[in-house]
Parts: sequence; structure tokens; C-alpha cells
Amino acid sequence: EVQLVESGGGLVQPGGSLRLSCAASGFIFSSYWMHWVRQAPGKGLVWVSRINTDGSSTTYADSVKGRFTISRDNAKNTLYLQMSSLRDEDTAVYYCARDPSPGKGGVGYWGQGTLVTVSS
Amino acid sequence: DIVMTQSPDSLAVSLGERATINCKSSQSVLYSSNNKNYLAWYQQKPGQPPKLLIDWASTRESGVPDRFSGSGSGTDFTLTISSLQAEDVAVYYCQQYYSTLYTFGQGTKLEIK
Repeated sequence: EVQLVESGGGLVQPGGSLRLSCAASGFIFSSYWMHWVRQAPGKGLVWVSRINTDGSSTTYADSVKGRFTISRDNAKNTLYLQMSSLRDEDTAVYYCARDPSPGKGGVGYWGQGTLVTVSS
Repeated sequence: DIVMTQSPDSLAVSLGERATINCKSSQSVLYSSNNKNYLAWYQQKPGQPPKLLIDWASTRESGVPDRFSGSGSGTDFTLTISSLQAEDVAVYYCQQYYSTLYTFGQGTKLEIK
């Protein structure tokens, strides 16, 4: 069974930094592209970033480009999101998600999310 | 970026009746080389992560009831629930994965009338 478990969320002041982690299990982690998607309280889904299988290619939404860094450790089956220069508007639940199985589209599997609150 | 616009923002439908949600993309998400629309639909219930319902605009995921169907091509898409059940109350999102920058619609909240 595919499992994605996020951790590292919490309260941080504006301008601060935070690193999120996502522990993956139940599949061959190194074979799948991975994503971060966020959802501000009471708002819609916003795709944040994705990374290819070996970490050599990354893509970011304009709203986080230059401030967030996605990375992965395939030996540890873990995805990361390093967030810096945090703003109030970065407050959200951050979901780790996995590409779908081969031949499928969209974002196939999601974690339960971790809440990041940016506030003074 | 490709902008996804859903309509309506909210919808109230009686149990057993049809629910229709529309999604429009700012540019075509139809990839001509394989004739596939890079469009997915998700269902999100309160306190839960999204669940992928449909990919390639019209292919239901395994285990998704057949009352859910997707249609459309190019820039205009529709999610239809043929006979609304109580458990279908949720927010529904469309998403394009044509571009390297994935984008979601703003969501449509579906309630029981």
C-alpha cells in the first residue's frame, strides 16, 4: 500500500525557514516523480513543485520560485521541501504527492498533509 | 501558466439528480501527438486529501463509481455525477498536467439540496 507521511510543519515567523519531509513507503520511491501541493485554510489546491526520479530536474510555481527548494533522498525514501523567506500567504496545509502509475495521468497518491502557519 | 476556471463555484443538487461541473482551460490541454487531454478531476472531502477520480479527461480510476463521468476536449471539460448520492458531497477540482507547471481550478463545492 502506498503511504506518504508528511512532517515538519509548525508555526514560523515571517521571513523564517522551515523544512518539510515526506516519508514514502509501499512503492519503489526512486521510480516516481514527486510533488508538493498546498492548500490555504478554506481555500483551493495550489500545486507548488515537482521533482524527477533522480532529483536532477525540478519545477516550481511562480509564487515560490527562488524561496522554496524541493529535493529527495532515494536511499531514505524521503522527499523534502526547504522553505525560506516565508510569508503570511504561505500558510497552508502542504501535501506530498506521487505521480500516478505508468500510463495514468494527474497526481495519483496523496499524503494527509502537514500544516505550516506563518505568523508573528 | 495555464489558468483553469471552474463553474459554478457551488452547486446544490437533490439526491438522485444529476450534477454537472464545468472546467475551462486558458489554452488547449490536448496533446496532438497522442490525442490525449491532460486533464484530471479530483474529489476532496472535509479534512481529507484530494482523491483522483478521473484522468485523461474521461478515464475513471479503479474503484470510482460509474455514476462519475468526465467529458470534453481541448479547453472545455465537464464532470458529471449521474445520480447524486449523499457521499458525493465534496469539493471537486479539475487540474491540467499538460504544462510542466500543473494548475488546478478554484474548486466547486457540491451540496445536497
